[in-house]
Amino acid sequence: DVKVTQSSRYLVKRTGEKVFLECVQDMDHENMFWYRQDPGLGLRLIYFSYDVKMKEKGDIPEGYSVSREKKERFSLILESASTNQTSMYLCASSPPPDRRGRAQHFGDGTRLSIL
Amino acid sequence: AQSVTQLDSQVPVFEEAPVELRCNYSSSVSVYLFWYVQYPNQGLQLLLKYLSGSTLVESINGFEAEFNKSQTSFHLRKPSVHISDTAEYFCAGGNSGNTPLVFGKGTRLSVIA
Repeated sequence: DVKVTQSSRYLVKRTGEKVFLECVQDMDHENMFWYRQDPGLGLRLIYFSYDVKMKEKGDIPEGYSVSREKKERFSLILESASTNQTSMYLCASSPPPDRRGRAQHFGDGTRLSIL
Repeated sequence: AQSVTQLDSQVPVFEEAPVELRCNYSSSVSVYLFWYVQYPNQGLQLLLKYLSGSTLVESINGFEAEFNKSQTSFHLRKPSVHISDTAEYFCAGGNSGNTPLVFGKGTRLSVIA
């Protein structure tokens, strides 16, 4: 079974802090993704990566950056946290398209509160 | 533009009644289709997927979905729901390129005893 592990389930930080959310997957997947989930808005893609040291902006990248130094690890960085970044953050990974249909596998999420 | 639309944000249903959660997709995301389930305070879990072949796909816990190309739909159904099916359900689609899946906004299924 694919395992996607997010380092924290709950996190409380203060406005202006630099925040790191870590995600690790154990299935050697090339693709990794960061989403935020808010009531009524569904999942919104922040950033994704197809390979080590590669990154692509998603739909809402403003205020975020990412780092992918190793294939199994994809970090989301809030450069200067603000209260409107309070949300549930979900990490996912997937293989490239093939007959398996590249289903995305998700971690359990990090519920981040910015005070 | 690619899109996946879930027509109902909330669906209440009595225990042991049938349920249908509706999903429509744009033709550009029609190659692969998925349903995910999210239980409270958890991530999304893959429920079932359509890749090719038979248009009716089933999950291990009694859900099924039918790919309907003419209606551009991939509705999720269960003939008799249980309290434990209470969760949020997301429909998603993707094409053959290596691009992120497109997700619907989710449908919250509430099963009432």
